[in-house]
Amino acid sequence: DIQMTQSPSSLPASLGDRVTITCRASQDIGNYLRWFQQKPGKSPRLMIYGATNLAAGVPSRFSGSRSGSDYSLTINSLESEDMAIYYCLQHNEYRYTFGAGTKLELK
Amino acid sequence: QVQLKESGPGLVQPSETLSLTCTVSGFSLTSYSVSWVRQPSGKGPEWMGRMWYDGDTAYNSALKSRLSISRDTSKNQVFLKMNSLQTDDTGTYYCTTGHYWGQGVMVTVSS
Repeated sequence: DIQMTQSPSSLPASLGDRVTITCRASQDIGNYLRWFQQKPGKSPRLMIYGATNLAAGVPSRFSGSRSGSDYSLTINSLESEDMAIYYCLQHNEYRYTFGAGTKLELK
Repeated sequence: QVQLKESGPGLVQPSETLSLTCTVSGFSLTSYSVSWVRQPSGKGPEWMGRMWYDGDTAYNSALKSRLSISRDTSKNQVFLKMNSLQTDDTGTYYCTTGHYWGQGVMVTVSS
């Protein structure tokens, strides 16, 4: 199965910061990569699909990019509502896999 | 409006079988695939398996031996059955299209 190595596991940041979270795929997954945001007690929310496409209703300060087997989620000008756990998901292979998650918290 | 809703027992005995139902609306199961994802409290989500729009299925290798996913397109429902439950199967179970998620159902495995 494809492994997704997500880093960092924890990311302290200040309001207004620009932050980047990365997932590295163990095999080629093309652009079959999604980013989810999850807040306590809530279902995951799709933020980015197709590695770079913003999901409906997601603020434009969120963006996704790809460099080879590395996929990144960048948040510009952090707001308090962005504090959450972020997960990547590869859905290229017949079996899907999540990254381990990044907890974004206030410094 | 796309909606998914999970239902099933909140408590299951160890070694018993878990049966969950995902009832969908706003789309057809013959056009979109639905996955099951579970999440132990305080941990990350785990993809369990998928019912493809054409009726095919795919399973997480680690769960394949005890997991079965099926559907009833006339009732807009996708079913999950997993046997030989243990305490580490406790968590919240979601059904999802990938873009849309249900609210999840909490399942506790305990005697």
